[in-house]
This record gives sequence, C-alpha cells and structure tokens, in this order.
Amino acid sequence: NAGVTQTPKFQVLKTGQSMTLQCAQDMNHEYMSWYRQDPGMGLRLIHYSVGAGITDQGEVPNGYNVSRSTTEDFPLRLLSAAPSQTSVYFCASSSPGQGYYEQYFGPGTRLTVT
Amino acid sequence: AQSVTQPDIHITVSEGASLELRCNYSYGATPYLFWYVQSPGQGLQLLLKYFSGDTLVQGIKGFEAEFKRSQSSFNLRKPSVHWSDAAEYFCAVGDRDSGTYKYIFGTGTRLKVLA
Repeated sequence: NAGVTQTPKFQVLKTGQSMTLQCAQDMNHEYMSWYRQDPGMGLRLIHYSVGAGITDQGEVPNGYNVSRSTTEDFPLRLLSAAPSQTSVYFCASSSPGQGYYEQYFGPGTRLTVT
Repeated sequence: AQSVTQPDIHITVSEGASLELRCNYSYGATPYLFWYVQSPGQGLQLLLKYFSGDTLVQGIKGFEAEFKRSQSSFNLRKPSVHWSDAAEYFCAVGDRDSGTYKYIFGTGTRLKVLA
C-alpha cells in the first residue's frame, strides 16, 4: 500500500491564483481530513470528511473548499490564494472500523503564496 | 471546549539523558490520546496511542507515555535519548464522543539533542 499520498510536494502561487492540492489514500479509510501547519501553532483542522459525499468544516475553513466524490480522494481547493495561506498542508486518513481511529498522514505540501 | 497544551516550546537534552515531554488536555470524558513525531521536512509519524486500559503505553523507538486522569496529562518519556530523536513532537486528543473523529493538536515541542 502507498498509504496517503499528496501532490504536489512544493508549490508557489501568486496572490489571487487558484489551485488544488491532491490527496489520495489506498487503505479504504472512511475518514479523511486536511490540516495546515504553521510555526508555533501546531496542526489546525481545515476540513474533514466522514465518507464519500460528506464533508464538514474544521477550525480554519475560510478560503478553502473540499469535496469527496470517492472514498480514495479528498482534494483541497484554494479559490483565490492569499499570503496568509502560506503554510504546510497535511492530509490524513483513518478508519473507525478498525476499532480506533489512528490517523495516517501524508508527506505534506509546502505552499508559498507571494 | 477541548484543548491540548504542550507547555514547552523547546527542550534541549544531552544524548543519553532521559526525556520527558509534557502534554495536558482538556476534555469532558476519557479521550483518545496520541503522540506524533515529525522530523524536519517530513510528515507525522505515530509514536504511541492511548484508548483505554493500562495507563502506561509503550510506543516505537523506545518511547512510552503515561495517562494520568487526575492530572489530565499524557506525558511522553524516553529513558535515554539518541541524537536521531531530535525532531518536533506533537500531542493530540481525539474526540471520541462526537463521532466526528476530529483531532486537536498541541502546538508542539521541538527537541534538540546535544552530542
């Protein structure tokens, strides 16, 4: 299994541009989430999904959109990038069906908005 | 509201010394508790977890943690630190009651190991 994969690894955007961060998992996990990591602030939840077709907002959802059309994929969209969205983004997945919900993290995407 | 506090932003220890990283949480019931490690430029790797049962849990790389309900703490320990343990460590609480499977992370403790 590849686990959780994220693309791209690095991205530089100009203010106002849009882009999609890709996240995929091959573990058949129901639950997927997106976090952003900023220095001194730990990881903060942006959006999460408990299954295909079901998404909800986390702690810092503004400026981001998500959708979950399949179990495997959970893309994160920035519609109009802002410098405040410069961060490292992590995708994670887990399955409560395993009796607990340890989250498995992808390698991250480092995004810079100029 | 649930919260996680890691009071130490930076910790420096000498190689071979013992280590304790502190984590305090605020949660209405017994939470799911986790410790993750992040090496520079890498993703997060699970060190250990607590769900129920024995309050002393063993993890990978020689780490252990003890759940103390009375102190709302879940401190991470290692008896002898290796240079390769230099990394950032995150404590996290899982919301087991809402059914949303959300995690709340602490702000992290960066560990530096002196040779």
